[in-house]
Amino acid sequence: QVLLVESGGGLAKPGGSLRLSCAASGFRISDYYMTWIRLTPGKGLEWISFINNTGGTTYYADSVKGRFTFSRDNAKNSLYLQMNSLRDEDTAIYYCARDQEVTSYGSVWRGLDVWGQGTTVTVSS
Amino acid sequence: DIQMTQSPSSVSASIGDRVIITCRASQYISNWLAWYQQKPGKAPKLLIFVTSILQSGVPSRFRGSGTGTDFTLTISSLQPEDLATYYCQQANSFPFTFGGGTRVEI
Repeated sequence: QVLLVESGGGLAKPGGSLRLSCAASGFRISDYYMTWIRLTPGKGLEWISFINNTGGTTYYADSVKGRFTFSRDNAKNSLYLQMNSLRDEDTAIYYCARDQEVTSYGSVWRGLDVWGQGTTVTVSS
Repeated sequence: DIQMTQSPSSVSASIGDRVIITCRASQYISNWLAWYQQKPGKAPKLLIFVTSILQSGVPSRFRGSGTGTDFTLTISSLQPEDLATYYCQQANSFPFTFGGGTRVEI
């Protein structure tokens, strides 16, 4: 069964840090690009970060650039989101999702087809 | 960044009604558009990718169309289980932005 399971959410103070993890099973993350998305009550879904299959390329939303770092450990079939300098507006449910598949022809985008159940981050003093 | 504008922001419809949700991109995105359904308390679910390709297992009452900057998600005959918020997402250029969402109420 193809699954993504996030963990590491919780309560953090403004200016604090959290590290989210996303464990994959049923497929090899080394064959896929991956993405983090968050859901906030006021703003809906927000794309926040992308990583390619090797970890050599990452992209970030302006709202988190310079504060969040997306990394991966293909050997452990896991992904990580290091969140520093947290702000109130980072309060959200964070999801990891499977993105493009890497094939011999290049990457193939079929939407974000597998999502985790989400982990809740609350930033508050 | 490409802005994705969905309309309406919410719609109330009856069972069996046809519901149409539109998504407009601020720049040309070819066919690089997906639609997601999110029910309360659940993770989003992929419905359609590359504008019109139905994800496996998604009922055929969902249909996607459009190209360039203007896209549509049509639910041909609304069912009770379709109560959800629907989001479009562009994948033409980073950041792969989402629309603001359309809440479908029954």
